[in-house]
Amino acid sequence: QSALTQPRSVSGSPGQSVTISCTGTSSDVGAYNYVSWFQQHPGKAPQLILFEVTRRPSGVPDRFSGSKSGNTASLTISGLQAEDEADYYCCSYAGSYIYVFGVGTRVTVV
Amino acid sequence: EVQLVESGGGLVQPGGSLRLSCVASGFTFTNVALSWVRQAPGKGLEWVSAIRGDGRSTFYIDSVEGRFTISRDNSENTLYLQMNDLRVEDTAMYYCASPGSRKGYWGQGTLVTVSS
Repeated sequence: QSALTQPRSVSGSPGQSVTISCTGTSSDVGAYNYVSWFQQHPGKAPQLILFEVTRRPSGVPDRFSGSKSGNTASLTISGLQAEDEADYYCCSYAGSYIYVFGVGTRVTVV
Repeated sequence: EVQLVESGGGLVQPGGSLRLSCVASGFTFTNVALSWVRQAPGKGLEWVSAIRGDGRSTFYIDSVEGRFTISRDNSENTLYLQMNDLRVEDTAMYYCASPGSRKGYWGQGTLVTVSS
């Protein structure tokens, strides 16, 4: 049950695109198409922005998109905006109702 | 509107116990497996425990196995986490959530501080 690997930080200018990787193993990310991404602003609870690798809940802008290849999932934020500055966590199902989170990535809009 | 409201957190000494509760509304409670997820101060999210919708199976991370017990009362739409033999490293915000759901069920959290 090791945490999924994410870059500690990424940054971009307004309007640019940034991509956050999330690397697991063949027992979690590689085994299931059940990867979710959460956005967390300081002092707030996490909010779901993607589920099942690529699907967006209603209300989430289409600037957020996801993909997966092998044991690595990715979140891309296109057209970066100031309000996107936050921490982002990936989360993968690992079987038997168990989940594993990524270490988190701080996105900074410079 | 979906709501998950946690309570029961507080300050406790090492070796002590706490019972967290999470009252749910806005969805069919018995249909949803639920988890407790924690976040230590300044740290990332960590899945702690889960329970099936019917309550028949429970799951834990190794570090809390034997000390924490997850349960639910489907007649009261309430999820629980009984925490015994608490350690300093259990200090965290504890969230009631369904990490894999399409709806993003997630509470606002209750803070547990273990300190002498």
